[in-house]
Amino acid sequence: QVQLQESGPGLVKPSQTLSLTCSVSGGSIRNGTYYWSWLRQPAGKGLESIGRIRSSGSTNYNPSLKSRVTMSVDTSKNQFSLRLSSVTAADTAVYYCAGEFSYYDGTNYNDGFDIWGQGTMVTVSS
Amino acid sequence: EIVMTQSPATLSVSPGERATLSCRASQSVSGNLDWYQQKPGQAPRLLIYGASTRATGIPARFSGSGSGTEFTLTISSLQSEDFAIYYCQQYNNWPLTFGGGTKVEIK
Repeated sequence: QVQLQESGPGLVKPSQTLSLTCSVSGGSIRNGTYYWSWLRQPAGKGLESIGRIRSSGSTNYNPSLKSRVTMSVDTSKNQFSLRLSSVTAADTAVYYCAGEFSYYDGTNYNDGFDIWGQGTMVTVSS
Repeated sequence: EIVMTQSPATLSVSPGERATLSCRASQSVSGNLDWYQQKPGQAPRLLIYGASTRATGIPARFSGSGSGTEFTLTISSLQSEDFAIYYCQQYNNWPLTFGGGTKVEIK
């Protein structure tokens, strides 16, 4: 059973860069069916997709964050990472890494986040 | 981006009763819609993908329907462990977007 674990600082100063890493265990990050994704959820609010990366390194970023987001993958360590620059208080949230399966079965497109990390709270404050 | 709107925001239901949750997309997403359940302090859990296919291990009391812009999640007989927040999410267009959630609470 694949498991994900986020790691990184819980406190980041305004204007600095938030950096998180997600470690994948129990399976390979090279699984071609999966995107490896980052999402976030401010306290008491809904979910926002930040972006996703394939093991090949190809990425999709949310246009609302694209200018500040960089994702990378390290297949040798079975990890993927998020960097979000120029953070403000609006970036305070629980950050989740997740595995998103995505495939076409000949009739339908099937997609969903079926593997989740436990989430890590990141606060932006001086 | 596609805006997902869920209703109602809160649904009060007695255990054993049926719950019907709605999700509307600002433009057609075909059948490319998921439903998630989230409990306090936990990550979301995938319930339904492709609008109507239950994810692995999801009980049969959860069912999804709809296509285009209108979708429904039905919980046929609410159990105590079903009281939670439910989110819909479209994957037809990037960026993936979520609805604001429906909180199912005990009546």
